[in-house]
Amino acid sequence: GAVVSQHPSRVICKSGTSVKIECRSLDFQATTMFWYRQFPKQSLMLMATSNEGSKATYEQGVEKDKFLINHASLTLSTLTVTSAHPEDSSFYICSAARDRALDTQYFGPGTRLTVL
Amino acid sequence: GENVEQHPSTLSVQEGDSAVIKCTYSDSASNYFPWYKQELGKRPQLIIDIRSNVGEKKDQRIAVTLNKTAKHFSLHITETQPEDSAVYFCAANDYKLSFGAGTTVTVRA
Repeated sequence: GAVVSQHPSRVICKSGTSVKIECRSLDFQATTMFWYRQFPKQSLMLMATSNEGSKATYEQGVEKDKFLINHASLTLSTLTVTSAHPEDSSFYICSAARDRALDTQYFGPGTRLTVL
Repeated sequence: GENVEQHPSTLSVQEGDSAVIKCTYSDSASNYFPWYKQELGKRPQLIIDIRSNVGEKKDQRIAVTLNKTAKHFSLHITETQPEDSAVYFCAANDYKLSFGAGTTVTVRA
């Protein structure tokens, strides 16, 4: 149990376009979902925390108008990268927590975004 | 906020030898310390975790120790095998996970 999926797994887009990434908890209801970004040979950096039905909490330095997060249900959160630029190219990983402890997080397989 | 430091950044060991990775954290409120293994292009996989009320935990060849007073925790892998080669991340959780910078482990056959 505790499977998290992400779609798409890989996306290439032109500079200036928007890209939506979906994160789904397949066999449990996720009270909270997290979005991370990982640049090559670096660690995971938390971008934002989203709770179902409420606004996401963004980490310092993350532009909320550029990285739009919607957590419409207990099994789905979406990250939209608006007006993407080459510097947004990265590996985006979501995770989901199924209880209020938030410590045990189940990670999605990640989405490789390349902006040309 | 929490600050997690991880050492070493790279580690090369002979197959069969042990590997040790050390992490320190700054926030005494952190109470959960997971370790993840990540292969290239894949998701992080939880390999072991420890909570602040426990000093040591072992799962087959993998063990984790925690020293709350000194605010450091370590991962021990014994009898290393080539498939242990990967990047390992420690993390500490207060109200969110903060990750260390990672250790690239290479097991030489």
